[in-house]
Amino acid sequence: TQLLEQSPQFLSIQEGENLTVYCNSSSVFSSLQWYRQEPGEGPVLLVTVVTGGEVKKLKRLTFQFGDARKDSSLHITAAQPGDTGLYLCAGYSGGSNYKLTFGKGTLLTVNP
Amino acid sequence: NAGVTQTPKFRVLKTGQSMTLLCAQDMNHEYMYWYRQDPGMGLRLIHYSVGEGTTAKGEVPDGYNVSRLKKQNFLLGLESAAPSQTSVYFCASSSLDRNSPEQYFGPGTRLTVT
Repeated sequence: TQLLEQSPQFLSIQEGENLTVYCNSSSVFSSLQWYRQEPGEGPVLLVTVVTGGEVKKLKRLTFQFGDARKDSSLHITAAQPGDTGLYLCAGYSGGSNYKLTFGKGTLLTVNP
Repeated sequence: NAGVTQTPKFRVLKTGQSMTLLCAQDMNHEYMYWYRQDPGMGLRLIHYSVGEGTTAKGEVPDGYNVSRLKKQNFLLGLESAAPSQTSVYFCASSSLDRNSPEQYFGPGTRLTVT
């Protein structure tokens, strides 16, 4: 069974601070995705990383896929209250059923 | 486009009652999924479908049944609801990109079983 461990589980910071969230596994994934979920809503895809070592930027968010394609990180610069939400990583290991393995998420609260 | 829609948004059932959750997508996706989300447990896959007329078991299928009679619809049924099935249920659909099967989620159904 493939597992994705996310850390920290909870994070509460002040507006303007930087933060990093981690997603780790002992398994190799073909690709890894990050989703953000706001209260009362479904998860929304932020980014997909496919190549080992790949770095993608989405405004103040920077996503990195580990060289061995077993881990990933999400870095937010100058966090804003609008960044508040549950951040989920999900790994795809290949196969024709297109199933994803989800981490349990990091609940981020950015206080004004 | 509406994307993925789910009905109902909220439901309260008594133990032993049955119900069907409906998921509809307008993106012509082949793959559809049902998840449940519980505090501290993350998203757990209940059942999924790789095309019209096909279904398969996920991680936690017991107590649930599904049907995919039309490509755009995926139904989740609870034949005899139990308090352990109190949860938020999400439906998702997926594109056929071999490198990155991006999943699009509905807004969820919050189910309480008393």
